[in-house]
Amino acid sequence: DAGVIQSPRHEVTEMGQEVTLRCKPISGHDYLFWYRQTMMRGLELLIYFNNNVPIDDSGMPEDRFSAKMPNASFSTLKIQPSEPRDSAVYFCASSLWGGAGELFFGEGSRLTVL
Amino acid sequence: AQKVTQAQTEISVVEKEDVTLDCVYETRDTTYYLFWYKQPPSGELVFLIRRNSFDEQNEISGRYSWNFQKSTSSFNFTITASQVVDSAVYFCALSGAGANSKLTFGKGITLSVRP
Repeated sequence: DAGVIQSPRHEVTEMGQEVTLRCKPISGHDYLFWYRQTMMRGLELLIYFNNNVPIDDSGMPEDRFSAKMPNASFSTLKIQPSEPRDSAVYFCASSLWGGAGELFFGEGSRLTVL
Repeated sequence: AQKVTQAQTEISVVEKEDVTLDCVYETRDTTYYLFWYKQPPSGELVFLIRRNSFDEQNEISGRYSWNFQKSTSSFNFTITASQVVDSAVYFCALSGAGANSKLTFGKGITLSVRP
């Protein structure tokens, strides 16, 4: 079975540009999580969904960030406009039982904003 | 609020040495789950273990073992006879037991195993 699939793997963009990261969770997993990893702050939970509904977006840093899950097999994380401090690795993960269960992570999307 | 502290940031050992990675957690929940994840140089996070708060039995899986002590709020991870392939960042994490619980990670420990 395919794992969590993220795209793009690497993105280099200039400040002010819109960035869209994509995620396909494992089929049958009801929960989807977006994490951001930086050296300074470690792994931070940005937002998570249950059955396509956002449950907690308190980790989203500011209005420039938005996430959607239009269906059970696809989610996007958008940054508009991007800033250099958004440079990080963004991970998507899915789970059967929410945060209390095993999370299956994608390979991550490494974003560099110049 | 939940908190996970991994006081060690970097550990370097020589192959075949045993190494223990420390994890201390804080939570007000009576039921919770503790995890360890491994992040090898390739970058993907890999699940290692999940323990619930009512099960304090130590667990052993090959060269890996975990020591859970509620009295000290610790969930330590020991690698016996370390190997170069064990080099990675190791994260301890904590979750509540509710349906919509969040998983909170520690800052991670970078383990380097030298030949």
